[in-house]
Amino acid sequence: QKEVEQDPGPLSVPEGAIVSLNCTYSNSAFQYFMWYRQYSRKGPELLMYTYSSGNKEDGRFTAQVDKSSKYISLFIRDSQPSDSATYLCAMSVPGSARQLTFGSGTQLTVLP
Amino acid sequence: KAGVTQTPRYLIKTRGQQVTLSCSPISGHRSVSWYQQTPGQGLQFLFEYFSETQRNKGNFPGRFSGRQFSNSRSEMNVSTLELGDSALYLCASSPGTGTQETQYFGPGTRLLVL
Repeated sequence: QKEVEQDPGPLSVPEGAIVSLNCTYSNSAFQYFMWYRQYSRKGPELLMYTYSSGNKEDGRFTAQVDKSSKYISLFIRDSQPSDSATYLCAMSVPGSARQLTFGSGTQLTVLP
Repeated sequence: KAGVTQTPRYLIKTRGQQVTLSCSPISGHRSVSWYQQTPGQGLQFLFEYFSETQRNKGNFPGRFSGRQFSNSRSEMNVSTLELGDSALYLCASSPGTGTQETQYFGPGTRLLVL
């Protein structure tokens, strides 16, 4: 069993929809949680970073962490065709900040 | 600021050969991490270098090695290539001194092993 599980999709939604992306993890040592976006033929770029349980909002993006359930989510409001990409969750443990464990990624397509 | 650069962008090799990939971090960043991305296994951590020393290592065989130079540029070497080494190899840079800091990824080198 992988340490981080993520539904690979693909996920297809109409423009303007609310998108929910999720990851579960098994290693309770993970304390730092990130969401990356990867466009085709590009490297991942950081979207959101969270540490504590709860919600963090940045524009149209909201990251949610529930450490008790070992579950993290990313919500995208008013989705745009430019949001079409692969979304990767990533996690790390204290003391190994640069050793990220990634989910497999969810491929999202937002249809105009 | 210029981003992370990786060379070459594409590479074709045959089984048994070796390959060297290069990564130039963002100016001022001293940590360089390498990742392998495949459709089956996703993104997996290979190793991290900081100030010319390997600081962390993932679960990959010894055929995968790396080094870092005094200007923080890093190279990754894969010897005795296998078909399963075909992947996108990504490097990421960060300042390297924080307890938690953003890693900036390069565009990757796509390696095809025939």
